[in-house]
Amino acid sequence: AQTVTQSQPEMSVQEAETVTLSCTYDTSENNYYLFWYKQPPSRQMILVIRQEAYKQQNATENRFSVNFQKAAKSFSLKISDSQLGDTAMYFCAFMKSGGTSYGKLTFGQGTILTVHP
Amino acid sequence: DAGVIQSPRHEVTEMGQEVTLRCKPISGHNSLFWYRQTMMRGLELLIYFNNNVPIDDSGMPEDRFSAKMPNASFSTLKIQPSEPRDSAVYFCASSLYWEPQHFGDGTRLSIL
Repeated sequence: AQTVTQSQPEMSVQEAETVTLSCTYDTSENNYYLFWYKQPPSRQMILVIRQEAYKQQNATENRFSVNFQKAAKSFSLKISDSQLGDTAMYFCAFMKSGGTSYGKLTFGQGTILTVHP
Repeated sequence: DAGVIQSPRHEVTEMGQEVTLRCKPISGHNSLFWYRQTMMRGLELLIYFNNNVPIDDSGMPEDRFSAKMPNASFSTLKIQPSEPRDSAVYFCASSLYWEPQHFGDGTRLSIL
């Protein structure tokens, strides 16, 4: 079974600054996907970024980028030029690739990020 | 394209009543997931379906909870009888194979 751990229950950052959210996972699988989801106070769950484990290049989406360290089983999210709208709960998630069942995500506990003006 | 549609958005009912939550996944998706979110327990996977077939219902808390997916475009989560500790936000999500899950806006359920 897979586990995902987010060791930072809460983080805060000043507007325009950079912040990094940590995530580690444990798996015996070699092929998998990793995701970061964002849940703002409106409670919608929004996909932020996706990383395929077979790709060495770190994924980037505008101000959001990841540091994927496969050997260390680490998957951190960096938010650059933080904006007030980035205030949200952030979830790290793992998805096994292949097999007879598909699509199941294993979520971490979440990190509440507050961006201060 | 329409996203995942959940109804109702809010539900308030009295203990002991039957509650039915509804979900319409994104057209073409072949997986559907039901989650429950509370402050105490975080985000929990209750059950998921692949091609309308339940794959894993180990997250369903009790026999009072049941879920069905009669066709590819509709699923229900039923609680009977409901209890105050069932109060939570319930999310439905859908996906296509190993693509990211898309979530509905959730149903906030309050059991008095």
